[in-house]
Amino acid sequence: AQTVTQSQPEMSVQEAETVTLSCTYDTSESNYYLFWYKQPPSRQMILVIRQEAYKQQNATENRFSVNFQKAAKSFSLKISDSQLGDTAMYFCAFMMLIGGGADGLTFGKGTHLIIQP
Amino acid sequence: DTEVTQTPKHLVMGMTNKKSLKCEQHMGHRAMYWYKQKAKKPPELMFVYSYEKLSINESVPSRFSPECPNSSLLNLHLHALQPEDSALYLCASSQVSTGAYQETQYFGPGTRLLVL
Repeated sequence: AQTVTQSQPEMSVQEAETVTLSCTYDTSESNYYLFWYKQPPSRQMILVIRQEAYKQQNATENRFSVNFQKAAKSFSLKISDSQLGDTAMYFCAFMMLIGGGADGLTFGKGTHLIIQP
Repeated sequence: DTEVTQTPKHLVMGMTNKKSLKCEQHMGHRAMYWYKQKAKKPPELMFVYSYEKLSINESVPSRFSPECPNSSLLNLHLHALQPEDSALYLCASSQVSTGAYQETQYFGPGTRLLVL
């Protein structure tokens, strides 16, 4: 079974600062995806960024980037130039790859990120 | 378009009621999921439908019954629920290509369920 650990229950930074959220995971699988999802107070689960384990290059999406260290099983999210709208719960999630099938997401406990004006 | 719709948005039901939650997607995705999320907790997987085949999280009680009438629609039938079943129920879908790996899961807005 896979486990995902987010060790920061809550973080608070000033607007425009850079913040890094940490995530570690444990798996014996070699083919998988990792995700960061954002859940604002509306509770809509929004995809932030995705990383395929077989890709060495770190994924980036505008102000969001990851530091993926496969050997260390670490997957941190960096948010640059943070904005008030980034205030949300952030979940790190793991998904095993099953050829021709589907598997559910395993989530970490989440980090509540607060952006202060 | 990555839209997954869920109805109703809110539902209040008694422990003797029977109700259904509905989830729909028109992205051609072949896998759909139900998750349960309690307040301040991460979502927990309940069911997966892939190519109309069901996979169940064995810890889910039988008072929850999924149904997949077609590849675009997923229902969750509720019967004799308990107050501890009150939660946000999230539906998601993902593309699954035959012989290839599934892609990203996209979530609907959820149904907030209160069991009295």
